[in-house]
Amino acid sequence: EVELVESGGGLVQPGGSLRLSCVASRFSFSNYWMSWVRQAPGKGLEWLAHIRDDGSADNYVDSVKGRFTISRDNAKNSLFLQMNSLRAEDTAVYYCAREVIGGVVDLDYWGQGTLVTVSS
Amino acid sequence: DIQVAQSPSTLSASIGDRVTITCRASQTVNNWVAWYQQKPGKAPRLLIYKASILLSGVPTRFSGSASGTEFILTITSLQPDDFATYYCQSSSTFGQGTKVEIK
Repeated sequence: EVELVESGGGLVQPGGSLRLSCVASRFSFSNYWMSWVRQAPGKGLEWLAHIRDDGSADNYVDSVKGRFTISRDNAKNSLFLQMNSLRAEDTAVYYCAREVIGGVVDLDYWGQGTLVTVSS
Repeated sequence: DIQVAQSPSTLSASIGDRVTITCRASQTVNNWVAWYQQKPGKAPRLLIYKASILLSGVPTRFSGSASGTEFILTITSLQPDDFATYYCQSSSTFGQGTKVEIK
């Protein structure tokens, strides 16, 4: 069974940075586009970014463009989200997810999520 | 950007009921609509993509349909395990969610 495990969440002050990781197993990670999605407490889902299977292209939602960077290391079956200039409104559970069809945000496997809290 | 309007926000239903949830896209999306189920404290689960393709392992009481820019998730004969929040999604935009509650 496909597995995605996120880590790196925690408490960070406004303006700070955090790097999330997602380790994939039991599928050919290098063949799949991957996404990050977040969910603020008690709120709905917000897609953030995705990256091409070979890492050569990415795309972001406007609310994080210029602050967040998605990347991957296919040799280590790992996906990352570098988050800078964090704001209180970035507080959420962050999920990594696999795209069913590359480039289309239809997400068939999700990690368990990692909580990011931005607060002083 | 594509906007997605999902309704209703809450739905009360009984075991065995037929339930429908609607999602309207602000423009043509070529049936690129997915439906997810989420239970409290859990990650979302993909049920349907490309408007009507059921993911392997998803019970056949779930189905998706499309008519232009209107998309419908139907659950025939609601089961106890189906009480959850459902989200539609198109072109990276998620709907607001529909919480299916026990009547």
